Amino acid sequence: GENVEQHPSTLSVQEGDSAVIKCTYSDSASNYFPWYKQELGKGPQLIIDIRSNVGEKKDQRIAVTLNKTAKHFSLHITETQPEDSAVYFCAASSSGGGADGLTFGKGTHLIIQP
Amino acid sequence: NAGVTQTPKFQVLKTGQSMTLQCAQDMNHEYMSWYRQDPGMGLRLIHYSVGAGITDQGEVPNGYNVSRSTTEDFPLRLLSAAPSQTSVYFCASSYSNRGQQPQHFGDGTRLSIL
Repeated sequence: GENVEQHPSTLSVQEGDSAVIKCTYSDSASNYFPWYKQELGKGPQLIIDIRSNVGEKKDQRIAVTLNKTAKHFSLHITETQPEDSAVYFCAASSSGGGADGLTFGKGTHLIIQP
Repeated sequence: NAGVTQTPKFQVLKTGQSMTLQCAQDMNHEYMSWYRQDPGMGLRLIHYSVGAGITDQGEVPNGYNVSRSTTEDFPLRLLSAAPSQTSVYFCASSYSNRGQQPQHFGDGTRLSIL
């Protein structure tokens, strides 16, 4: 089955700096890669996703890049703000996002230092 | 729309007790699923359903039962609670498991088994 590795487990950056979280996946059939943000006491919320036919996608301060050859994808957050502090999860799916095909990384705790 | 609603938010049980975690969605989503989240483990799939009357096992189904009698509701039952089932449980839904559909999560049920 699919295996998703996520690094780092904890990331501390100064407010205003950029943050990058990286994930690798094992199943070359995976074709959908969502990123979720989880705030304390809340459920994960989708913040951005990318399909395998796209190399990069941006949404304001957030971007995701995908390298299918190397089987890795990354989340980039620019101009970080205190409200970006949260746990971020990457995931990969070969069936298109249904739970039978969605495998999560173990999460990155992002800390924004004032 | 309320989205995905989970009840209760917190619960403490004694070993051997049974209980049902409730999940309801008002988005007319076909697809629903249950995850458990443990420290350092990410999200692991317990059971999922692709429509009313249809359920299937995920990665960690032992000790849990589900049913899907309506599109809106997907309860998770613990038959005989064990301390290893202490966790945070999340319910999620998506429009379909066909194609690349993002999942919407509830805010979780925090369960402690003594």
